[in-house]
Amino acid sequence: EVQLVETGGGLVQPGGSLRLSCAASGFIFGNYWMHWVRRDPGKGLVWVSRINSDGTSTAYADSVKGRFTISRDNTKNTLYLQMNSLRVEDTAVYYCAKRAGLEGKNWFDPWGQGTLVTVSS
Amino acid sequence: DIVMTQSPDSLAVSLGERATINCKSSQSVLYSSNNKDCLAWYQQRPGQPPKVLIYWATTRASGVPDRFSGSGSGTDFTLTISSLQAEDVAVYYCQQYYDTPYAFGQGTKLEI
Repeated sequence: EVQLVETGGGLVQPGGSLRLSCAASGFIFGNYWMHWVRRDPGKGLVWVSRINSDGTSTAYADSVKGRFTISRDNTKNTLYLQMNSLRVEDTAVYYCAKRAGLEGKNWFDPWGQGTLVTVSS
Repeated sequence: DIVMTQSPDSLAVSLGERATINCKSSQSVLYSSNNKDCLAWYQQRPGQPPKVLIYWATTRASGVPDRFSGSGSGTDFTLTISSLQAEDVAVYYCQQYYDTPYAFGQGTKLEI
């Protein structure tokens, strides 16, 4: 069974940093692109970032570019999101999600349970 | 960037009745390699992560009840629940996975 478990969320002050982790199991982690998506309070889902299977290519939403860094360790089957210069508007539940397959199968399946990040003074 | 717009924002439907949610993309999301639209629908129940219901605009994901169906092409897409069940109370999102940023619609809250 494919499982994704996020950790690392919590309360942080504006301007602070946090690193999220997503432990993957049940599939060959190094074969799949991975994503971070957040659900803003009172709003909807917002795609945050993605990384290709070997970590050599990344992409970011404009709202986090230059502040967030996605990375992965395929030897540990773990995805990361380093979040710096956090803002109040980064408050959200953060999910990691697996790309469904190869060759255009870019939908997200499955998703982790999420970890809550609260940015507040 | 591709913008996804859903309607309505919220919807109340009686048990056993049909629910229809619309999604419009600001440009084509057609994947030329297989001539299919890169459009997915997700269901997010309260307290749960999102779950894919439909991909390639019309293909039901494994284990999804057949009362859920996706239709449309080009830039206009629809999710239909043919006979609403209590467990279908959720927020529904469309998403284009054609190119980054992989935009979601704003969500449609479905209530009984």
